[in-house]
Amino acid sequence: AQRVTQPEKLLSVFKGAPVELKCNYSYSGSPELFWYVQYSRQRLQLLLRHISRESIKGFTADLNKGETSFHLKKPFAQEEDSAMYYCALIRGSTLGRLYFGRGTQLTVWP
Amino acid sequence: DGGITQSPKYLFRKEGQNVTLSCEQNLNHDAMYWYRQDPGQGLRLIYYSQIVNDFQKGDIAEGYSVSREKKESFPLTVTSAQKNPTAFYLCASKGDRNTIYFGEGSWLTVV
Repeated sequence: AQRVTQPEKLLSVFKGAPVELKCNYSYSGSPELFWYVQYSRQRLQLLLRHISRESIKGFTADLNKGETSFHLKKPFAQEEDSAMYYCALIRGSTLGRLYFGRGTQLTVWP
Repeated sequence: DGGITQSPKYLFRKEGQNVTLSCEQNLNHDAMYWYRQDPGQGLRLIYYSQIVNDFQKGDIAEGYSVSREKKESFPLTVTSAQKNPTAFYLCASKGDRNTIYFGEGSWLTVV
């Protein structure tokens, strides 16, 4: 069963515009949610995790358990934000496997 | 430079041949993973291993095999039974706070 859904394959915005990458999940327990990013010619890397409640490169993501969502947001997109973004979920147990969404390719136009 | 090392970066295989992709990590991580990345499909889990000498099938294990004889090594064999092996393969390991670390990937092309 698909546990992580990213409804947008492609997302384009202009520089300076707000951006929101959507992520919904299906899991009844207490998941841990992450956003991973893959810039051109670089390896996939962790962007942020919901537990830390951090802001990385201006991005934030809030876990909404009621809506089972973990959308990634940035108020003012930059060209260097252009990348592939993956939402990921791990179940409560640290031995659990990681489930990835299908990814959203973000393009920020100048 | 520590982390996950995959080799080779590019590999060509003739139909009907098996090929093995190497994955080595010096992060002392117990859990390791193999993913396949196809355009529009995202990351799909092939196999994963929580600990040495143990591994489980992921979502698309058919046509693949793995071994985990050493903590630092998790090689993936793409067998001739894999119907559509041309893809980008990513190896990963899980560290503290459930953070996943990825290798740079291996491109496999069947000719």
